Formats: sequence, C-alpha cells, structure tokens
Amino acid sequence: SQQGEEDPQALSIQEGENATMNCSYKTSINNLQWYRQNSGRGLVHLILIRSNEREKHSGRLRVTLDTSKKSSSLLITASRAADTASYFCATDEGGGFKTIFGAGTRLFVKA
Amino acid sequence: EADIYQTPRYLVIGTGKKITLECSQTMGHDKMYWYQQDPGMELHLIHYSYGVNSTEKGDLSSESTVSRIRTEHFPLTLESARPSHTSQYLCASSAPAGYGYTFGSGTRLTVV
Repeated sequence: SQQGEEDPQALSIQEGENATMNCSYKTSINNLQWYRQNSGRGLVHLILIRSNEREKHSGRLRVTLDTSKKSSSLLITASRAADTASYFCATDEGGGFKTIFGAGTRLFVKA
Repeated sequence: EADIYQTPRYLVIGTGKKITLECSQTMGHDKMYWYQQDPGMELHLIHYSYGVNSTEKGDLSSESTVSRIRTEHFPLTLESARPSHTSQYLCASSAPAGYGYTFGSGTRLTVV
C-alpha cells in the first residue's frame, strides 16, 4: 500500500532556482521523512518532521507539514546541479514499525 | 564509522540459481528492512526484522527468505532465481521510532 504520494512526478529547473516538491498521505502519522536518491544508489535521509511540528529547516532545505490536509512540502532553495536526484517522502503507519515510501519526484537541475 | 553495507553491488546470475544478498550494519540497530525497487519506481517492503530471531514479510509478495541470527547481519536468500526477480534490492536499518532509516548502496540483480 502506498502512503505518501509525491507531486510532481518530475521537475526540471535551472541552477539557482528554488525547487518545491509536495507529498500527500492518507492516514494519521507520527512523523514524515524526506529522502534523496541518486541514480542507482541507496536513499539518504534528509529530514524528519514530527506530527506536532509545522516547519523544519536544514541548510537549504525547508520542510512543512500540514496534518489537517495530510500533506507536506520540501523546498530546496538556490538549487545546484548536484541536487539532481529523486526525492521521496516516507510516512510511518500507525504503529511506527514500518515506513511507507512514495514513488518519488525526479528533480533535474540544469547547470 | 557507523554504516550499512550491501554485497554484492551488482550480480548477474542464471535462472534457477540460489543466491544470497548480504547486508550488515555497524550501528547496533534492532530494526532492519529489505526493499525492492525497480528503476525510477517506488520502494516495496519485502521483509523486515525487529531484532534477533524476528522476521516478518512485508507488503510485497516475495519468493525470498531472510534470517536474523545476529543483530548486525540480515541476509536475503532467493532459492531459485527467475528473470522476474531482476530488480534493485535495498537494505536499511533504523534506530527506535522517530529517527530516519540508513540505507545501503543496494544490490542490482539481473537474472538471465
């Protein structure tokens, strides 16, 4: 079962621009996570936001969470070519023992 | 350095062969997971473990099996590989709830 669904599926921007990706989910959560995956590699954990948090920052990353709309967004500011990757949101099912990943947003940053 | 290791990185094998994909982590995490991911697609949970001697099947039906005899080791075995098993297999581990997963680099399996 797919919990998180990312939007858009693919995004192409110029270096220096901001990139915004959205994630929607269906059931209540304890936390929501964002991951990055470079082509053919494993996922790298970027940031975790808990259900009682509304916004979180880490470097050029800004994550928001709206539990009333069951949605989250990931903003990457001043994007770089090295940010080219797939970005996945992931949510825990009620008990928190399993994390469900969405299909990802493919970001391409042109130099 | 704490990390999670998967071997082999790439594997091409003939139909009917038995294979074991290795996964080891040095972080002392109790929870470990195996995901299957086709290129550019979502991850599907195939097995997970809460600790030693604990294993569960995930959401995606899989013909593979796993074992957890030691905390740091979580191998995945295919008794008889088939072309439909061609995919990338990702191993991950996690600390107690509220923290993110640490992933290995993956094993890209091709069954010919």
